[in-house]
Amino acid sequence: AQSVSQHNHHVILSEAASLELGCNYSYGGTVNLFWYVQYPGQHLQLLLKYFSGDPLVKGIKGFEAEFIKSKFSFNLRKPSVQWSDTAEYFCAVNYNNNDMRFGAGTRLTVKP
Amino acid sequence: GAVVSQHPSRVICKSGTSVKIECRSLDFQATTMFWYRQFPKQSLMLMATSNEGSKATYEQGVEKDKFLINHASLTLSTLTVTSAHPEDSSFYICSAGQGTLDTQYFGPGTRLTVL
Repeated sequence: AQSVSQHNHHVILSEAASLELGCNYSYGGTVNLFWYVQYPGQHLQLLLKYFSGDPLVKGIKGFEAEFIKSKFSFNLRKPSVQWSDTAEYFCAVNYNNNDMRFGAGTRLTVKP
Repeated sequence: GAVVSQHPSRVICKSGTSVKIECRSLDFQATTMFWYRQFPKQSLMLMATSNEGSKATYEQGVEKDKFLINHASLTLSTLTVTSAHPEDSSFYICSAGQGTLDTQYFGPGTRLTVL
């Protein structure tokens, strides 16, 4: 069965530090890739998505992600985090436009 | 880790019928559940927020009378698609959490196809 792995369960950074959250997925055909963020007490919000084209995708709030097909990865990056980025981040993969799988999530804590 | 199940995983129904989708938290009590819908090649769209024992809060543009949400217990929320039409065909996902400040755990989703 298809699966999505987020290796970092909890990441703690100081403000202005650079961020990279890992996301790997199992092979399963055509994939559409997403990163979502969930702030405390809120629902999911889309950060960015990749369907096709340029594998480097830019999203909201300064986030970007790079799709590396050969590595089955879609890591999320931000050059300089802020305290307001404290949240839970979910990687998701839609296989063959039919089967949506979520990673377990990575909790990011940014210290002021 | 916390487990959330959804039933059924796939359902095919005729136009005009109603379909109930269940979302269960298997090993924790979920005070808050979210229901999402995903259209092909799009991201998740929040439909409603469900709090145990109270009425669901629907997002703008989501018909309350068409998508009935019930959160009668701390482990079960249901979404009923009433008088389903082909345009209701979609992928429906729920998530459950133990409180407003807690992380949410996702169900595996339900694929609804309305003929």
